[in-house]
Amino acid sequence: EAGVAQSPRYKIIEKRQSVAFWCNPISGHATLYWYQQILGQGPKLLIQFQNNGVVDDSQLPKDRFSAERLKGVDSTLKIQPAKLEDSAVYLCASSLGDKRTDTQYFGPGTRLTVL
Amino acid sequence: KNEVEQSPQNLTAQEGEFITINCSYSVGISALHWLQQHPGGGIVSLFMLSSGKKKHGRLIATINIQEKHSSLHITASHPRDSAVYICAVSTTGGGADGLTFGKGTHLIIQP
Repeated sequence: EAGVAQSPRYKIIEKRQSVAFWCNPISGHATLYWYQQILGQGPKLLIQFQNNGVVDDSQLPKDRFSAERLKGVDSTLKIQPAKLEDSAVYLCASSLGDKRTDTQYFGPGTRLTVL
Repeated sequence: KNEVEQSPQNLTAQEGEFITINCSYSVGISALHWLQQHPGGGIVSLFMLSSGKKKHGRLIATINIQEKHSSLHITASHPRDSAVYICAVSTTGGGADGLTFGKGTHLIIQP
């Protein structure tokens, strides 16, 4: 079974530029998460999708971050414009969505460096 | 105050030692997760538990709901166990079940 795919794996941009990350969850997984992991810290949830609807985006900085999952499968996370403090690893995870078996499967992450 | 606290933050031990990593949380949860993250690697789920104890190979996870505390134990530790171990919780209420993470415990097992 293929795992969660993310691209790119690495991205270096200058502040005030825009960047987009892509995630392809495990086939059949209804729930998709984006997390931000700053160096030395645990991941922080940015947004959770159930199919193509947003369940929780309370910690998403909406003035600069946006995310979509138009067809309920792939998802993109965008930052516009980027700030230095956005340097982090952006992790995508997916789960079946059944709370009795809600193990989350993580992708390899995208490491973003903002200069 | 963080909702999920782990201790210790860093742990160095010799191969073969019994390892214990602790996690305390301050919120109502539907489940507690232990995850492993290797340097430069992704995150792998080790356990998800809401009560009692689970065992997988040399790893054992326990949880005490009344005390809001969980422990991850590694028996007969090996250098390949070196990684960051992260405790995370799924909080109760609403439809959201995104995880709230601790800061992780950086474990190094020396040969």
